[in-house]
Amino acid sequence: GNSVTQMEGPVTLSEEAFLTINCTYTATGYPSLFWYVQYPGEGLQLLLKATKADDKGSNKGFEATYRKETTSFHLEKGSVQVSDSAVYFCALRGLNDYKLSFGAGTTVTVRA
Amino acid sequence: NAGVTQTPKFRILKIGQSMTLQCTQDMNHNYMYWYRQDPGMGLKLIYYSVGAGITDKGEVPNGYNVSRSTTEDFPLRLELAAPSQTSVYFCASSPRDRGRGETQYFGPGTRLLVL
Repeated sequence: GNSVTQMEGPVTLSEEAFLTINCTYTATGYPSLFWYVQYPGEGLQLLLKATKADDKGSNKGFEATYRKETTSFHLEKGSVQVSDSAVYFCALRGLNDYKLSFGAGTTVTVRA
Repeated sequence: NAGVTQTPKFRILKIGQSMTLQCTQDMNHNYMYWYRQDPGMGLKLIYYSVGAGITDKGEVPNGYNVSRSTTEDFPLRLELAAPSQTSVYFCASSPRDRGRGETQYFGPGTRLLVL
């Protein structure tokens, strides 16, 4: 079945540091890939997505590239802010599948 | 638009009690979902619905029931609550799937504690 593995946290960074969160997946065919973010006390919201190989999703300074050859969708941001402190989830949706398969989530804390 | 709303925000149940978690969306989305989130784990799908009158089981349906009588509402019923159902429950909705990349919109969650 489909599965997502993302790097374990927690991750603690200083403001303006570079952030990368690794995400790899197992799926048949070409799934759609997503990063969702959960701010403290809130529900999940879509951060970015990519629906085919070599697509790059980007939003709010975050980027992730769909790499079919390495089955990866790593999340990166060049200069984080305190407001980026949140839990980040990598997820995939398989072809002809209704549900999202989520990774365990990575807690990121950015200190001023 | 309010998006996806859930009630209650927090509830404590005793073992064996029952309750209904409410979920409403005002985006006219066909698809709706219920997930649970346990500490250190990703979200697991409990049930989903592709339209009014149509529901199906997800990965972890045992101990839960759902119904979908309208497009807007998708309540989740817990019968005979157990400590293993202590979790945070999220409802989500999405438009009809056209290209596999449809975004799911999540509610703020219901935190449930079963003692």
